Amino acid sequence: QQQVKQSPQSLIVQKGGISIINCAYENTAFDYFPWYQQFPGKGPALLIAIRPDVSEKKEGRFTISFNKSAKQFSLHIMDSQPGDSATYFCAVTDSWGKFQFGAGTQVVVTP
Amino acid sequence: NAGVTQTPKFRVLKTGQSMTLLCAQDMNHEYMYWYRQDPGMGLRLIHYSVGEGTTAKGEVPDGYNVSRLKKQNFLLGLESAAPSQTSVYFCASSYSRAFDNEQFFGPGTRLTVL
Repeated sequence: QQQVKQSPQSLIVQKGGISIINCAYENTAFDYFPWYQQFPGKGPALLIAIRPDVSEKKEGRFTISFNKSAKQFSLHIMDSQPGDSATYFCAVTDSWGKFQFGAGTQVVVTP
Repeated sequence: NAGVTQTPKFRVLKTGQSMTLLCAQDMNHEYMYWYRQDPGMGLRLIHYSVGEGTTAKGEVPDGYNVSRLKKQNFLLGLESAAPSQTSVYFCASSYSRAFDNEQFFGPGTRLTVL
């Protein structure tokens, strides 16, 4: 059963624009909310993550916003660049360290 | 450090054939995982291991077996391949099972079952 729902499935953004990807989860027992980035032909790699006691975390052009009451979190990519073109996965982690991933969002940044 | 490596990178099987995928990590990680990635499904956990000699079932274990005889290696076996097992398989490892541990992924194995 999919416990984390990710949207949109894909998005196209112009260079310099903002990309926003949303995830919603069902189980309140999750402890950690990472985002992974995957380039074609490569394995996913950790991009940024947030704990549930924080509402926002920013690293460079990437920001996670977390809404615990709504059980939602989102990734914002500011000033999107062609090099950001990749597939992004949200994930939720329980206290046992087991991950459940969203279905993924393919982001294309046009020049 | 090579990180997480996977062998082979590509493979084509006929229905009913068997094969083993090898994952190796040189980071001295205790935890290792096998995922499959299918379009629109994200990454789904097949089996995982919390240490040498241990294995456990994940979300989609049917049709697969695993072994962890050495800490650095995690093998995924398909005894009788089926077309439904056509997928991209990723191995990952992590230092601990702490909820904020990072999983390091290999480059993947693309498997096609005809």
